[in-house]
Amino acid sequence: QVQLKESGPGLVQPSRTLSLTCTVSGFSLTSYGVSWVRQPPGKGLEWIAAIWSGGSTDYNSALKSRLSISRDTSKSQVLLKMNSLQTEDTAMYFCARCLGEGYVMDAWGQGASVTVSS
Amino acid sequence: DIQMTQSPASLSASLGETVTIECRASEDIYSNLAWYQQKPGNSPQLLIYDANSLADGVPSRFSGSGSGTQYSLKINSLQSEDVASYFCQQYNNYPWTFGGGTKLELK
Repeated sequence: QVQLKESGPGLVQPSRTLSLTCTVSGFSLTSYGVSWVRQPPGKGLEWIAAIWSGGSTDYNSALKSRLSISRDTSKSQVLLKMNSLQTEDTAMYFCARCLGEGYVMDAWGQGASVTVSS
Repeated sequence: DIQMTQSPASLSASLGETVTIECRASEDIYSNLAWYQQKPGNSPQLLIYDANSLADGVPSRFSGSGSGTQYSLKINSLQSEDVASYFCQQYNNYPWTFGGGTKLELK
């Protein structure tokens, strides 16, 4: 059974760095890619970044200077770091499995809520 | 970036009715389009990929069509469990971009 589960701090102070973890089961990170997508409260979806089965990465150019995506295949985890957080980064952050490199997201985690506030 | 314009933003329909949601891309995305359903408090679920391929486990009353810059999602015989928000997404170019969403309610 394919599962993804996001975890993170919940509350982050402005200007600090956000670290999120996506722990997957039911598939291998060396066979599938994983993307991160966020959704501000009551708003639409924004794709953030992806790491592919071979370890290569892609980033949303609007956020790239603040982002880092990596993985630990031994732990089946994908890590997302975003620095210089602002209140507009408050959102639900989802990780999702990608069927192939550059291809559709077919399974999603439940999401991790992140609030940026002092 | 490719802009995805989705319409309508909200929609009210009766049980058993057929509903159509439209999505227009700012440039040709060569059918690299997905549709997702998101129920309140839940994560998005894949319905359609490659513009017209039904994802595993999705009821056959859902269908997708289109090409080039114009795409649509059709729901036949609307059921109560279809009340949700629907989003289109292009994966032809980075950054992947989503439509603004359509909120579907029962009349």
